[in-house]
Amino acid sequence: DSGVTQTPKHLITATGQRVTLRCSPRSGDLSVYWYQQSLDQGLQFLIQYYNGEERAKGNILERFSAQQFPDLHSELNLSSLELGDSALYFCASSVATQVPADTQYFGPGTRLTVL
Amino acid sequence: AQKVTQAQTEISVVEKEDVTLDCVYETRDTTYYLFWYKQPPSGELVFLIRRNSFDEQNEISGRYSWNFQKSTSSFNFTITASQVVDSAVYFCALSEATQGGSEKLVFGKGTKLTVNP
Repeated sequence: DSGVTQTPKHLITATGQRVTLRCSPRSGDLSVYWYQQSLDQGLQFLIQYYNGEERAKGNILERFSAQQFPDLHSELNLSSLELGDSALYFCASSVATQVPADTQYFGPGTRLTVL
Repeated sequence: AQKVTQAQTEISVVEKEDVTLDCVYETRDTTYYLFWYKQPPSGELVFLIRRNSFDEQNEISGRYSWNFQKSTSSFNFTITASQVVDSAVYFCALSEATQGGSEKLVFGKGTKLTVNP
């Protein structure tokens, strides 16, 4: 158990819908990362938040957005869903203070299926 | 641009065999970090090791060992005396230590290891 929690574990929805994935980082970790794992693209970085502020963006679609709240939990919002958005979405967290590229610990993931 | 290549898509071995998973990376930075993660059939990503670019010593942890060679930009992972529980997809990843910037991980495509009894 990494200490990172994600809810829900599974999500099945229809095209055009909007969903919210939630992540709670390990105690003491300030940084949260979102990754998408799909069969064709592999594991891809989406976005990073550090202590409530967006720190880096990867290949995140405009239909996707995220935020990190004062209690450090994070939500990833996916809207106007398409079949191709079906994937496993991981959240990871790290301390990310003075130590560069410190270890990211991953949650169990949310499997999103868009029908 | 950063890139991680895991040329072996799938490997199948018999229990107790040794197996080496290859990882080759590309980066323009002199300071970077390499990682290995394991993804068992249950789906979670489990951290195995983190290594910085200045530390070329090989590392051993139980049946696991890692060989880091900067000259060939490789960070290979060996499992000695493999067990069925080692069956998983293994990912190599790279992070550049950008000052004040992102520490995103760039992953390879993964190597699926199957250990047969």
